[in-house]
Amino acid sequence: EAEVAQSPRYKITEKSQAVAFWCDPISGHATLYWYRQILGQGPELLVQFQDESVVDDSQLPKDRFSAERLKGVDSTLKIQPAELGDSAMYLCASSLIQGNSWTEAFFGQGTRLTVV
Amino acid sequence: KQEVTQIPAALSVPEGENLVLNCSFTDSAIYNLQWFRQDPGKGLTSLLLIQSSQREQTSGRLNASLDKSSGRSTLYIAASQPGDSATYLCAVDDYKLSFGAGTTVTVRA
Repeated sequence: EAEVAQSPRYKITEKSQAVAFWCDPISGHATLYWYRQILGQGPELLVQFQDESVVDDSQLPKDRFSAERLKGVDSTLKIQPAELGDSAMYLCASSLIQGNSWTEAFFGQGTRLTVV
Repeated sequence: KQEVTQIPAALSVPEGENLVLNCSFTDSAIYNLQWFRQDPGKGLTSLLLIQSSQREQTSGRLNASLDKSSGRSTLYIAASQPGDSATYLCAVDDYKLSFGAGTTVTVRA
C-alpha cells in the first residue's frame, strides 16, 4: 500500500544546531504539506507545495525555517538554528491535487524533534 | 481565517457505549472535511472523507455527518472497543487543511 515516507523518525539536537527532515509523498501526489504539532494540540500548517511551487508559507518562521521541493517530488524541511521551542512532531502529508472535493490527504509517521 | 473547534477535549466511556465527537468550523466555503485518528507518538490515519456536497459518510462502525451551512460535523463510533482509544482530529479543506485540537478518547474495558 502506498504511503508517505518520513525520516528520521526521531531526532535529538542541541540548541543552535541545524536539523533537516525528509519527506517522500505518495507517487503522483502533486500537493505536499509540512505540519508542526505540539503535544496536546492540533497540527499547524507550516508550508504547502503544489508541485515544486509554494502556495502557502504564511506560518513558516522564515528567519530559521526553510523548505524545498526541487523536482516536485520529495521535500526537505530545515531548521537553522534550532531553538528549544521547536521541540514538536513534524508531520508531512500529501494529496493528489488541491481544490477538489474528493481529495484525501495522507500523512506520514512524523519526525519527533527534541531540542536540548 | 478558518477556525476549527472540537468538543469535548477528552472523553472516557465504558466498552460498548456509542461515541459522539463534535467538530465545528467558522467558514462554510469548504471542499471537504476529513476525520483522522492519531495514536500516541504516531502520525495521522485517515478515517473518513466527506465531500462538501455530501451529508454523511459511513465506514464500518464509523459514521460522519456534515452540515456545511451550520459549520458542523459529527463523528459517531458505534459499540466502542478499547482499541478505539486514540485522539480523533477533524480537518476542513478550504484549499488548505485546517485542524482542530482533537478529542482524546479512552474506552474502558
